[in-house]
Amino acid sequence: GQNIDQPTEMTATEGAIVQINCTYQTSGFNGLFWYQQHAGEAPTFLSYNVLDGLEEKGRFSSFLSRSKGYSYLLLKELQMKDSASYLCAVRDSNYQLIWGAGTKLIIKP
Amino acid sequence: DVKVTQSSRYLVKRTGEKVFLECVQDMDHENMFWYRQDPGLGLRLIYFSYDVKMKEKGDIPEGYSVSREKKERFSLILESASTNQTSMYLCASSFDASSSGANVLTFGAGSRLTVL
Repeated sequence: GQNIDQPTEMTATEGAIVQINCTYQTSGFNGLFWYQQHAGEAPTFLSYNVLDGLEEKGRFSSFLSRSKGYSYLLLKELQMKDSASYLCAVRDSNYQLIWGAGTKLIIKP
Repeated sequence: DVKVTQSSRYLVKRTGEKVFLECVQDMDHENMFWYRQDPGLGLRLIYFSYDVKMKEKGDIPEGYSVSREKKERFSLILESASTNQTSMYLCASSFDASSSGANVLTFGAGSRLTVL
């Protein structure tokens, strides 16, 4: 079967760095996505990786290793507004998205 | 600002009632999707549509139907609501009609349905 694993919850301190991991086992691979979802709000797109390596976008970076079935989202200089759930999703060989359950990130002052 | 609008944020219905969840996008997107989101589970695809009057079953279509009479509107219908359909329902749309490219989803804010 197809599976996306990510930690259920993480806690970090304002100003620090946090890494949220995502491992996947899917039927084929056509890209990996990270979305951010604040409580009670719509998920919003953060990043897309289709080739191995690191993609940097301001305070957020996303890394992909296709051979290891592994990605991480790195958040630097954490702010209270980064408290949210982070959803990892992989597009499989049929171009369908398989979603992880999400990681709830709690930022403490 | 691009938008996906879901008509109801909160609904409470009784078992057996017919429920309509409406979704409208103003971005001229070709693709529209209905997901449900439950605690501890990833988003699960109910139905999707790549064109007007076209629909495809997702992973969990049982108990649901959809309608897409106009490009901008995609409706989810629960013919006879049951308690196990209590959930958050998310509508999304995307532009890229081809399978390549990022094909980023734009989501609505969600409709939280409670079936008593």
